[in-house]
Amino acid sequence: EAGVAQSPRYKIIEKRQSVAFWCNPISGHATLYWYQQILGQGPKLLIQFQNNGVVDDSQLPKDRFSAERLKGVDSTLKIQPAKLEDSAVYLCASSLASSRGEAFFGQGTRLTVV
Amino acid sequence: SQQGEEDPQALSIQEGENATMNCSYKTSINNLQWYRQNSGRGLVHLILIRSNEREKHSGRLRVTLDTSKKSSSLLITASRAADTASYFCATPNTGNQFYFGTGTSLTVIP
Repeated sequence: EAGVAQSPRYKIIEKRQSVAFWCNPISGHATLYWYQQILGQGPKLLIQFQNNGVVDDSQLPKDRFSAERLKGVDSTLKIQPAKLEDSAVYLCASSLASSRGEAFFGQGTRLTVV
Repeated sequence: SQQGEEDPQALSIQEGENATMNCSYKTSINNLQWYRQNSGRGLVHLILIRSNEREKHSGRLRVTLDTSKKSSSLLITASRAADTASYFCATPNTGNQFYFGTGTSLTVIP
């Protein structure tokens, strides 16, 4: 079974620039999550999708972050404009809908804002 | 807060020793899960224990759950250098949301 795919693996941008991350979840997983993990901290949930609808985006800084999941499969997370404090690893995860079973994580995208 | 909190923050042991880390949570749960994260990688699911279970084993892993104390422990027996990683617990809620604490950073010295 293919895992959660994320791209790119690494990205370096200057502050005030824009950046986008892509995630392809495991086939058949209706629930998709984006997490932000700052060095030395645990993953912080940014947004959760159920199919193509948003379930929870309470911790998403909506003035600069946006996410979409068109057709309920792939998802993109965008930051515009980026700040230095956005430097982190962005993790995508997926799970079966409402199962409270395990979540499957991608390898993450390491973003450095300079 | 819905997240689990892991303790200790850091643990360093010799190869072959056992490693024990703990998780405390605040709400009632359906299940509790442990994840491992190697440096620079995503999280990997290790084991799930349901609220009506008290102990579960998987290979060298042993998880206990005490719902009266709202706590869980993860024991790794006969540790190996490859066990060096951060370990997180999570208790998914009815909305299937996973919240993570800061984790326990385990270093196994060869």
